Amino acid sequence: ILNVEQSPQSLHVQEGDSTNFTCSFPSSNFYALHWYRWETAKSPEALFVMTLNGDEKKKGRISATLNTKEGYSYLYIKGSQPEDSATYLCASEEGDTDKLIFGTGTRLQVFP
Amino acid sequence: DAGITQSPRHKVTETGTPVTLRCHQTENHRYMYWYRQDPGHGLRLIHYSYGVKDTDKGEVSDGYSVSRSKTEDFLLTLESATSSQTSVYFCAISERGEAKTQYFGPGTRLLVL
Repeated sequence: ILNVEQSPQSLHVQEGDSTNFTCSFPSSNFYALHWYRWETAKSPEALFVMTLNGDEKKKGRISATLNTKEGYSYLYIKGSQPEDSATYLCASEEGDTDKLIFGTGTRLQVFP
Repeated sequence: DAGITQSPRHKVTETGTPVTLRCHQTENHRYMYWYRQDPGHGLRLIHYSYGVKDTDKGEVSDGYSVSRSKTEDFLLTLESATSSQTSVYFCAISERGEAKTQYFGPGTRLLVL
């Protein structure tokens, strides 16, 4: 069983601040890394899927990078807004197994 | 939004009672998953299916069974519910052509007394 770890566990920032979170995963037999956004009382929603070392993905003010050799991914939010408040989950797939192992998430709260 | 529904959305039951949760999709996706979500553990995979009648265990499968007789339905059964199975259960679907992005249902809150 993979051990996927996320840090920090929680983060409180002011509106307009930029922030970033880390996801670390075992680099051996890596296949894909997923990021999800999970708002309270809703279901997780997919943000990005990354497979190649050096991959960078962007959606609006949110971007992510991937380093498969050292086993980490960063998620960046530029100019955080209150509507960015959510838990951000990463999940790693080992080999082509169709199964994701999720980290416990980083809970972001953005204050106006 | 992906067409995924879960039923029931909320359930209270007693220890020792059998419980079945249903996940229904209208997307014709091949893969379906059951997760449980508990504080401090994030999402943990219980069972998954890669086709009709094709299922496999996840990391927390003890005490659970699944069945998939049709593409659109994936059932999760707790044969004899225990208090440790009190949780929020999420169903998800995916398809290989979409880089295996998983789309999640609304969740089912289960309380075992």
